[in-house]
Amino acid sequence: GAGVSQSPRYKVAKRGQDVALRCDPISGHVSLFWYQQALGQGPEFLTYFQNEAQLDKSGLPSDRFFAERPEGSVSTLKIQRTQQEDSAVYLCASSPRPRGEETQYFGPGTRLLVL
Amino acid sequence: SQQGEEDPQALSIQEGENATMNCSYKTSINNLQWYRQNSGRGLVHLILIRSNEREKHSGRLRVTLDTSKKSSSLLITASRAADTASYFCATRAIGNTDKLIFGTGTRLQVFP
Repeated sequence: GAGVSQSPRYKVAKRGQDVALRCDPISGHVSLFWYQQALGQGPEFLTYFQNEAQLDKSGLPSDRFFAERPEGSVSTLKIQRTQQEDSAVYLCASSPRPRGEETQYFGPGTRLLVL
Repeated sequence: SQQGEEDPQALSIQEGENATMNCSYKTSINNLQWYRQNSGRGLVHLILIRSNEREKHSGRLRVTLDTSKKSSSLLITASRAADTASYFCATRAIGNTDKLIFGTGTRLQVFP
């Protein structure tokens, strides 16, 4: 079946511009995660949804970052007033059930470059 | 901040050789997972080892876990050029969180 998809794959934004990144998880997966991966680093957790509920947003770096999953499927990560330090790959992952040992299935990521 | 540190940061070997990567982490864990990331692509899950397990095998992969030392190793035997990628360990902490905390990664280059 289809894996996790993300769009756009690449985004170039001017500093100060707002951007919206989309994630389509695997159908039926309850859990959805967003991670940020800086160049040469491992992914860092941003936020977690269980269905439509955002249960953990402890990794969001500032109040310019906002995520939603209104119907418990597709999720959008929005970054307002982008800064150069926001340049990174944004990875979305989903897993079938919460609080289990299931692995997370990752999308290809959105590479964001803020000029 | 990242949980784990991996070493080496980079590793270059010839096809057919074995590759060993090590991961250290900081807090008590529920499980530890290894992921592979090819250039420009997403992460692919390789293997999961639970905190009460010491060793696990999957094909050419062998993972060990030492919770007393808070460390894990990934061994890839008989490496192939297609194994060229970055490898990350990721831990799931004990508690009610599902998030993964990733290490810094090892960049493996396998020359044909």
